[in-house]
Parts: sequence; structure tokens; C-alpha cells
Amino acid sequence: GNSVTQMEGPVTLSEEAFLTINCTYTATGYPSLFWYVQYPGEGLQLLLKATKADDKGSNKGFEATYRKETTSFHLEKGSVQVSDSAVYFCALITNQAGTALIFGKGTTLSVSS
Amino acid sequence: DGGITQSPKYLFRKEGQNVTLSCEQNLNHDAMYWYRQDPGQGLRLIYYSQIVNDFQKGDIAEGYSVSREKKESFPLTVTSAQKNPTAFYLCASSMSNPNQPQHFGDGTRLSIL
Repeated sequence: GNSVTQMEGPVTLSEEAFLTINCTYTATGYPSLFWYVQYPGEGLQLLLKATKADDKGSNKGFEATYRKETTSFHLEKGSVQVSDSAVYFCALITNQAGTALIFGKGTTLSVSS
Repeated sequence: DGGITQSPKYLFRKEGQNVTLSCEQNLNHDAMYWYRQDPGQGLRLIYYSQIVNDFQKGDIAEGYSVSREKKESFPLTVTSAQKNPTAFYLCASSMSNPNQPQHFGDGTRLSIL
């Protein structure tokens, strides 16, 4: 079946450090891939997306590239800030009508000054 | 502003009681979803609806019920049959076209008295 696997956290970094959160997926067909971010006590916000192989999604300094050959969609940021502290979820949706997002378990990022 | 409104933000349930969580959207989205979030388990799909008067069970539907009488509204009832209801509940909506991202509300935290 379809699934998403994320690196387990928590990830603890100092301000201005480089961030990578790994995400790999298993899916039939050609899914679309997403990263969502959740700040404490809030819902999820769409951070970025990619809908086909080799697409790069980017937003707020975060980037992720859809790699079909390695079935991966790793999240990266060159210089993290304290305000980036949150839980990050990788997710996929297949191109079949009537399906819902499938989420990874989330990775907690904590950035200290 | 368009968005998804969940209410209440906090809800308490007594033993043997049914409670209903509200979710309203004004994004004109066809599809709506309910997820349950527990620490370390990511998001699990409870129910989803692609169109008015129709809905499907997700991965953990037991002990829950929904209705979709209006496009804008998708209330979730946590019944007394759900023995472990304490969690954070998230509602989402999306366009029904394939590969569309979901937009989330701010969630309802349900606790047992």
C-alpha cells in the first residue's frame, strides 16, 4: 500500500544551522508530495509541494525535490531560525480520485539561539 | 477571509457521552476530512467526504460518526463507543481534483473528564 516514512525526531539545531529532514515514500503511480508544518496548538499549514518527478517545491527558505528514482522528498533549509521550531509532516496523495492525504508520523524540530 | 473553522477549541467529554465537533469551511471545497492526531503517531484518517450526502470510512472510523448535509459543514461525533477519545482532532478540506493539497483548521482538543 501507499505510505510515507520520515526520520524520527526530535531534531535539535542551533540557529543558522543547515536542516535536512528525510522523507521517503511508497506509492503506486505518480503521487503528489507535500510538506506541512504544525506550530504548537495549531493546525497544519502547507509549506511546499511538488506534483511530478524532479519538481522542486520551495517556500520561506525551505526546499524539497521530488526524486522518483530514490522515492524521496527530503526537506532542506540552509539556515534555520528559532521561529522554525515546529513539527514537520511529509505527505503524499495519489492521483486517484477520492483519496485522502497519507502522512508520515512527523518530525519535531527544535532550534535554539 | 476564506478558511476552515473548527469549534470548540477545547472540549471535555464525560464517560458514556457523545460529543460533536464542528467543522465549517467557506473555501467552496467539495472534499472534507477528519483526522485524529496522537503524540508520536502522526495523523490518522477517521472519515472523509468527497461530496454532499456521501462519506467514506478512513483507517480508524470505529467509535465515530459523521454527516455531510451541506457542502460547507462536516461535523464529527465522537460516540461513547470510542474508548480512548482523548486526542487532537483536525478537520481539512480540498478541491476534489486529484493531487490537490488539503487546508486545515486549527483543531479541537478533546479530553475526558
